[in-house]
Amino acid sequence: DAGVIQSPRHEVTEMGQEVTLRCKPISGHDYLFWYRQTMMRGLELLIYFNNNVPIDDSGMPEDRFSAKMPNASFSTLKIQPSEPRDSAVYFCASSQRTGTGSPLHFGNGTRLTVT
Amino acid sequence: GESVGLHLPTLSVQEGDNSIINCAYSNSASDYFIWYKQESGKGPQFIIDIRSNMDKRQGQRVTVLLNKTVKHLSLQIAATQPGDSAVYFCAENGGKNNRLAFGKGNQVVVIP
Repeated sequence: DAGVIQSPRHEVTEMGQEVTLRCKPISGHDYLFWYRQTMMRGLELLIYFNNNVPIDDSGMPEDRFSAKMPNASFSTLKIQPSEPRDSAVYFCASSQRTGTGSPLHFGNGTRLTVT
Repeated sequence: GESVGLHLPTLSVQEGDNSIINCAYSNSASDYFIWYKQESGKGPQFIIDIRSNMDKRQGQRVTVLLNKTVKHLSLQIAATQPGDSAVYFCAENGGKNNRLAFGKGNQVVVIP
């Protein structure tokens, strides 16, 4: 299995631009998670999906952030308009289920820099 | 990676020695715990997990110990190697809706 695949690996953009991050989860995993990682705040859960349906988006910072999962093998996280404080590493993770016995499997992240 | 920063607790270990990384978790209702390893430029990688009905579990060169009385988790790495240099996170399923909550991380630096 190729694992969770994220693209792009690096994204540099100017403030005000739209940014789209992409994720392909592990086949057969019913749960998909988007995390953000910064030195100050560590790993923060933004949103997660179960069977392509958003379950909890309470971690999404504000309306500038949106996420979709049109099918079981693809998800996007969009920031519009982007701001310098959005600079972070964004991780996608998937799991077969939630709870005991089902660890998350992470992609290698997208490092976003907003200037 | 972003997780490697100046403010993380750091453990410096001589190559070949054993490492012990500690984690205090917050939710006494948590019943599942995981250790992740994150190398620079990569995502967190699953190392080992343990359920609350156990107090010890062993993997390849790693052992996780769970003390529910004091809500403490530790990861022991035997014969530490340069490739073990990374940031290590503990996680518990005591977050909202039984989701994983991650600790801040501990950086391990292996000295050749």
